[in-house]
Amino acid sequence: SQTIHQWPATLVQPVGSPLSLECTVEGTSNPNLYWYRQAAGRGLQLLFYSIGIDQISSEVPQNLSASRPQDRQFILSSKKLLLSDSGFYLCAWRPRGIHTEAFFGQGTRLTVV
Amino acid sequence: SQQGEEDPQALSIQEGENATMNCSYKTSINNLQWYRQNSGRGLVHLILIRSNEREKHSGRLRVTLDTSKKSSSLLITASRAADTASYFCVPLKTDDKIIFGKGTRLHILP
Repeated sequence: SQTIHQWPATLVQPVGSPLSLECTVEGTSNPNLYWYRQAAGRGLQLLFYSIGIDQISSEVPQNLSASRPQDRQFILSSKKLLLSDSGFYLCAWRPRGIHTEAFFGQGTRLTVV
Repeated sequence: SQQGEEDPQALSIQEGENATMNCSYKTSINNLQWYRQNSGRGLVHLILIRSNEREKHSGRLRVTLDTSKKSSSLLITASRAADTASYFCVPLKTDDKIIFGKGTRLHILP
């Protein structure tokens, strides 16, 4: 069966420090991968979307970047965190195909102080 | 890609009552999906209804789809405290990106 792992669950980082959040999927190949952010009291914002290695689209201009070094690994990074980067970050994967659902990780709660 | 627009934005009902939330979208789809998010957690897929289906059931959930009106509804029967969550509809075509709207915040009162 397929599983998605996202870590860490919580993170407190100072302003200006780097960030690396990792997401891996097991039990499938060639998934579509997503990173979302949810600021406090706000909706889910799609940050990055990837349909394959080196095929990543950025949905909103921001202080973050994403990479997909392996087929089932998706990394969210920042060189220098801002206070506004605080939020709940969710990774998700979805099988290729028309009628497929998305599966979400448990999320990372990031607080930038 | 498009996002659904859920209505109402917030809904409070007594435990045991039925909860109905609606979704509208703008362009044609292959399917429409409903997700639930409990506070501070990841999202869980609830149900997927294809564009050639009009109604689908899963346990206490009943989803309808009217492609002519570009709308869907989610009915939760015999609500429970654990149903307190935000609910999102996602209209999709082919391999669309999954984009979420503001959702409906459902609160089940004891």
